[in-house]
Amino acid sequence: NAGVMQNPRHLVRRRGQEARLRCSPMKGHSHVYWYRQLPEEGLKFMVYLQKENIIDESGMPKERFSAEFPKEGPSILRIQQVVRGDSAAYFCASSTEGADTQYFGPGTRLTVL
Amino acid sequence: LAKTTQPISMDSYEGQEVNITCSHNNIATNDYITWYQQFPSQGPRFIIQGYKTKVTNEVASLFIPADRKSSTLSLPRVSLSDTAVYYCLVVTNQAGTALIFGKGTTLSVSS
Repeated sequence: NAGVMQNPRHLVRRRGQEARLRCSPMKGHSHVYWYRQLPEEGLKFMVYLQKENIIDESGMPKERFSAEFPKEGPSILRIQQVVRGDSAAYFCASSTEGADTQYFGPGTRLTVL
Repeated sequence: LAKTTQPISMDSYEGQEVNITCSHNNIATNDYITWYQQFPSQGPRFIIQGYKTKVTNEVASLFIPADRKSSTLSLPRVSLSDTAVYYCLVVTNQAGTALIFGKGTTLSVSS
């Protein structure tokens, strides 16, 4: 059973460009979470989604950031008009219905030049 | 969710037992204690979860006293590859809970 998959593992963007990060949850998992980690910091929650629904986006910046988890395909975290402060590691986690144990992917390291 | 407090760093040598204690004075009745391990450039990895008394798996043991205001993660006979950051979290046992990570405990194992 494959774990949580994220791609790309590394992403370099110039200021003003768009970044798209993808996450495929573990098989059988219907809940997806996105977290951001700055250097030397713990992970910070961004958004929680189920298929076709955003359930909790309380940790998501109000502008430039959006997330989706379509009926088919991976979850996407989209950052428009990236700035240097967006440089971080972005982790996706997934869990099953009715369980809180979240299993994390390897992350996408975004570097904004 | 209950706030947790754990040491910033710990040092150990190969073969020793390492105990990392976490304080969670405001833990609620529905909360569980969960530990994650994170290696550099990797995502956190679930280690163990418990509610009370003692839980043991192939990786670690988790000791939780009766008042549940603290817990201790025990790593038997550590090796160099156990060098990592260890996070103690208090979570409710339901899907959709945002995990709150502190800075964790950086464990350094030397030969």
